[in-house]
This record gives sequence, C-alpha cells and structure tokens, in this order.
Amino acid sequence: DTAVSQTPKYLVTQMGNDKSIKCEQNLGHDTMYWYKQDSKKFLKIMFSYNNKELIINETVPNRFSPKSPDKAHLNLHINSLELGDSAVYFCASSRIGELFFGEGSRLTVL
Amino acid sequence: AQSVSQHNHHVILSEAASLELGCNYSYGGTVNLFWYVQYPGQHLQLLLKYFSGDPLVKGIKGFEAEFIKSKFSFNLRKPSVQWSDTAEYFCAVNPRSNQGGKLIFGQGTELSVKP
Repeated sequence: DTAVSQTPKYLVTQMGNDKSIKCEQNLGHDTMYWYKQDSKKFLKIMFSYNNKELIINETVPNRFSPKSPDKAHLNLHINSLELGDSAVYFCASSRIGELFFGEGSRLTVL
Repeated sequence: AQSVSQHNHHVILSEAASLELGCNYSYGGTVNLFWYVQYPGQHLQLLLKYFSGDPLVKGIKGFEAEFIKSKFSFNLRKPSVQWSDTAEYFCAVNPRSNQGGKLIFGQGTELSVKP
C-alpha cells in the first residue's frame, strides 16, 4: 500500500488553465504539506496543514489554493497557470518532524 | 533567516571511493536533522535522522552522518560508494520551535558514481 499517494503523476497543460493535484495519506499523520521542486531540484515548502487547519503558507501566490477536506487528504488547486509554475509538486505527511513524501506530480505548463 | 547550506553542488566519484557531503545550518536553537535521497525520477526517501543522543547516526545503505553542534554541521558519509548511490542528496533541518514541523531543505548535492 502506498503511504502517500498523489494524482496525477504527470500533468501537461496550457497557460491560463486551472488544474488540481490530489494527495492522500494512509499513515494516520495529522500534518500534511505541499512542497515545490524546481528545475534545479530546490525544494521549497508551500503549505502545511495540521488536522485540516492551515498552519504554514509560505509567500505563495494566491492562485494556489490548498484544501484539506479531512486530515488524510490535502489537495492543491492552481488557477490561471503560468509558465513558472512548471515544477514537480510533492505532497508529504509527517510524524515528529520526519516527512514521508509522495511520488510527486510533474506539472508542465506550455 | 533559517537556512541550510550544502557545500557541493555536484560530486563525481568512482565506485569504492569514500564519500562525504557537507551540510551546515543556521539556527541557534534545538534542531532535528535529516538526510534524504532522491534517486533519478523518484520521490525523496529518508536516509537517516538525528533527534538527540549519539551524534553519530547510522542510516540505510551504509550511510552515516555526524552532528557537530559547535559547527552547526551534519555531514553525510559513506566509506565506499556504489554505482547505485547515484542520486540527489538533500540535507534538511527542522527547528523544534517551528510551528507545523516545517523542514528546511538545502539546495541538494548531485552525486554521480562512475562504474
């Protein structure tokens, strides 16, 4: 069983479109995250939720809107996609500071 | 601002060579420390972690790391690398005072091992 699963794994879309990435974890963790990995492999946190409550929002444009319907799910919706949004987006959940990552969703904006 | 610095951007070694990847962080308080590995095309996996106790920690696949508090360092080592160790390595720090358990990552070190 996959502990942290993301869908879709690959997403190719045009500028200006709106897209969503879904994430689910079956580890029973209270905290979930979205990280963005750019083309230089740099990982930067975007959001963190604890038990459905937003606790970290790192200077991310408000075109990005996370939603956590319950503590096992954290989805990411992106409006009006831009070229610079092309990246790999990783979902993660944590226990005592240790992160467990999903396999990533590679977003390509044309 | 809290930050993590990895000294080497790209390291190229031959099989059986010894490896040391440097990691320094800037934060004066208590921290949890991690090394993650990302194999080509895959997600990040935990190699090892330090929370407290013995500053020399052993991880999977023969990796180890030493926490030196006075130097704010957490260097990763392996005595003899294999071709299969080719990957991107990330050092990460979790300041314990951070709300939400946020991990701050270094910029990564790409390791290429030649057979």
